[in-house]
Amino acid sequence: GQNIDQPTEMTATEGAIVQINCTYQTSGFNGLFWYQQHAGEAPTFLSYNVLDGLEEKGRFSSFLSRSKGYSYLLLKELQMKDSASYLCAVRDIGWGKLQFGAGTQVVVTP
Amino acid sequence: EAGVTQFPSHSVIEKGQTVTLRCDPISGHDNLYWYRRVMGKEIKFLLHFVKESKQDESGMPNNRFLAERTGGTYSTLKVQPAELEDSGVYFCASSPTMTSGNTDTQYFGPGTRLTVL
Repeated sequence: GQNIDQPTEMTATEGAIVQINCTYQTSGFNGLFWYQQHAGEAPTFLSYNVLDGLEEKGRFSSFLSRSKGYSYLLLKELQMKDSASYLCAVRDIGWGKLQFGAGTQVVVTP
Repeated sequence: EAGVTQFPSHSVIEKGQTVTLRCDPISGHDNLYWYRRVMGKEIKFLLHFVKESKQDESGMPNNRFLAERTGGTYSTLKVQPAELEDSGVYFCASSPTMTSGNTDTQYFGPGTRLTVL
């Protein structure tokens, strides 16, 4: 079957680091995306990995291991505005529809 | 550059009624996707247009759902007749044509929250 798993919720303190893991089992793979979604708003693109390794974008980094079906999103120097849901999504081969995990709600506390 | 826009932002209808959702993609984006998130579940794919053609309809739940993209610009998603289980948030996303220079990232609209009573 097809499955994308990520933790439901994580809590961290302002200024700290949080790592959100995502494991996937899908019939096809053509890249993994991370999106941030604040309540009632559009999911916003954060990062993309298609090859193994680490992609760094400012305070956010994302890692991919295709052989392990595993990715993580690392959020550094957490700010209050980082409180949001983080969505892991695998892009299918072919025409590129996204399959999403249920999202990880990150709560940043003072 | 304007992002993906969706209308309405909220819709409350009674079971058996018809509702039409609209999506305006980012200008120049050939790919347009519809997704849905029902309460407590993950966002799920409904269908994909390339310009005006339906490329993948594998996620459409049943024939009460009809999507169109006449002229290859905006798209509508009609639900007729609506059932209680159709309640959820309907997202639209668009992406440019994939080339060697882009990742074909999908950019999402804010969604339409549909409530069927």
